[in-house]
Amino acid sequence: QVQLVESGGGLVKPGGSLRLSCVTSGFTFSVYYMGWIRQAPGKGLEWVSYISGDGGAMYYADSVKGRFTISRDNAKKSLYLQMNSLRAEDTAVYYCGRWNTAFDYWGQGSLVTVSS
Amino acid sequence: EIVLTQSPGTLSLSPGERATLSCRASQSVRNNYVAWYQKKPGQPPRVLIHAASSRATGIPDRFSGSGSGTDFTLTIASLEPEDFAVYYCQQYGGSWTFGQGTKVEIK
Repeated sequence: QVQLVESGGGLVKPGGSLRLSCVTSGFTFSVYYMGWIRQAPGKGLEWVSYISGDGGAMYYADSVKGRFTISRDNAKKSLYLQMNSLRAEDTAVYYCGRWNTAFDYWGQGSLVTVSS
Repeated sequence: EIVLTQSPGTLSLSPGERATLSCRASQSVRNNYVAWYQKKPGQPPRVLIHAASSRATGIPDRFSGSGSGTDFTLTIASLEPEDFAVYYCQQYGGSWTFGQGTKVEIK
């Protein structure tokens, strides 16, 4: 069965960095686009970033461009999100998702809290 | 960037009633690339519809999607108790965006 498991969230000070990981299983990871989506407390869903199957194309929301970097390791079936220069408004639950004409599988989410 | 506006913000209905949710785009969505998701507290979103009207695998047929261009609709034919949740539309015809959500609550 398809599984996506995020890790790496936690409490970080403004200006700090954090790296999220998403380990997958149950499908051929390398053929799928993958993405990160977040939900801030009491807010709606916000797409953050996505990456092509071979890792050659990456896209970012304007709100994170220049601060976040998405990457993947197809041998490890893993997706990553390096988050730098974190701000209070980046506080959210971060989900990884598999893209298949929609996000058809999601992880359970990893909470990132940016606070001093 | 295409902005998606969902209405109403909250829909108060009883089980068995029909729910009609709207998603309006600020410009035409290429190929009607709109998806709908259901979100419950403490759970990840679940995809219901993709490409405006194609039901995702395992989704009951009481859920249907329609629309084209700038106006899209999610219809729940007869609300079941487990359908009370927040619903989001997403467009992926351009730079991806989500709508702000519609909450379907028990009246």
